[in-house]
Amino acid sequence: EVQLVESGGGLVQPGGSLSLSCATSGFTFSSYAMSWVRQAPGKGLEWVSAIDASGVNTNYVDSVKGRFTISRDKSKNTLYLQMNSLRAEDTAVYYCAKQSYSGGAGPFDNWGQGALVTVSP
Amino acid sequence: EIVLTQSPATLSLSPGERATLSCRASQSVSSYLAWYQQKPGQAPRLLIYDTSNRATGIPARFSGSGSGADFTLTISSLEPEDFAVYYCQQRWSWPGTFGQGTKVEIK
Repeated sequence: EVQLVESGGGLVQPGGSLSLSCATSGFTFSSYAMSWVRQAPGKGLEWVSAIDASGVNTNYVDSVKGRFTISRDKSKNTLYLQMNSLRAEDTAVYYCAKQSYSGGAGPFDNWGQGALVTVSP
Repeated sequence: EIVLTQSPATLSLSPGERATLSCRASQSVSSYLAWYQQKPGQAPRLLIYDTSNRATGIPARFSGSGSGADFTLTISSLEPEDFAVYYCQQRWSWPGTFGQGTKVEIK
């Protein structure tokens, strides 16, 4: 059974930093691209960042470029999202999502339960 | 950036009725369109990928169709557990954008 478990969410002040982790199991982590998708309170889904299976190629939505960094550690089967210079508009539930292929922008066939990030003074 | 527009915003139907949800792209996404279901307090679930392929474990009452820029998700006969929000998403180009969602509510 595929499992994705996020951790690291919490309350942070504007301008601060936070790091999210997503521990995975039940599949060959190094064979699949992974993404972070977020959902602001009461709003829709927004794709944030993706990393291909090799870890070489990354992509970001424009609003987080230069502030967020996605990475993966195949020895730990874990996905990461380092978030710097956080803004109020980054407040959301952040989902870790497994993609069906080794690259590209989806589809997302398995999701974690989400980690809440709140950016507030 | 490709914009996906879903309609209607809300669909009020009764169990047993047929639901037809639309997703229109601002430009062609070929067949690279997926549908997700999200219930309150839960993560999204993949229903359909690449226009018409059902994901693992998805019942046959869910079907997808379309091509280019116009796509449809059909639920042939609504079950009580189908009342939820549905999102389309394209993977043709970066960023992999989502539609704003269609809420299917009980009439």
